[in-house]
Amino acid sequence: DIQMTQSPSSLSASVGDRVTITCRASQSITNSLNWYQQKPGKAPRLVIYAASNLESGVPSRFSGSGSGTDFTLTLSSLQAEDLATYYCQHGDTFGQGTKLEIK
Amino acid sequence: EVQLEESGGGLVQPGGSLRLSCAASGFTLSTYWIHWVRQAPGKGLVWVSRITIDGTNTRYADSVKGRFTISRDNAKNTVYLQMNSLRVEDTAVYYCARDKGYATPLECWGQGALVTVSS
Repeated sequence: DIQMTQSPSSLSASVGDRVTITCRASQSITNSLNWYQQKPGKAPRLVIYAASNLESGVPSRFSGSGSGTDFTLTLSSLQAEDLATYYCQHGDTFGQGTKLEIK
Repeated sequence: EVQLEESGGGLVQPGGSLRLSCAASGFTLSTYWIHWVRQAPGKGLVWVSRITIDGTNTRYADSVKGRFTISRDNAKNTVYLQMNSLRVEDTAVYYCARDKGYATPLECWGQGALVTVSS
């Protein structure tokens, strides 16, 4: 089975900061990697699909990159409403999540 | 409005059974694969099960194999998760979500149903 490892597990940043979350697959998954945002007490929401495609309605400050085994979710300018846990996903496997806190 | 809504959650004793439903509105469920994903309190997302469009192909996480059964009734626009032999460690919020098939993203999620297994 393919394992998905996210880092960091948590991070704290200030409004306006550039934030990067990484996800590594245990073997090549080409671009089959999705990112979800889960705000406290809410259901997850798709933000990036197929590694680099922005889901409709998601702010353009979100972007994704990578292929093969290494992937990145970037928030170009952190906003207060981005407080959430972010998960990568490939097939039936989710990463363990990255909890993003606002300083 | 495109929506998935879970129901059927609740409190059940270890060894008991529960059936969750996932009802679709605003779209035709029969054109999507449906997945169940769960989240234990304070923990991350864990995939549980999925069913293909016509219901002929199902798959389960090892942790629920042989105890949970996923099914669908496209005429009722509903997918079910029958959960038997429940364990304390099955306690979680259960979400249903749709995708368009292999290697496609989970593009729409329900709000979740809480299942608590406790004596």
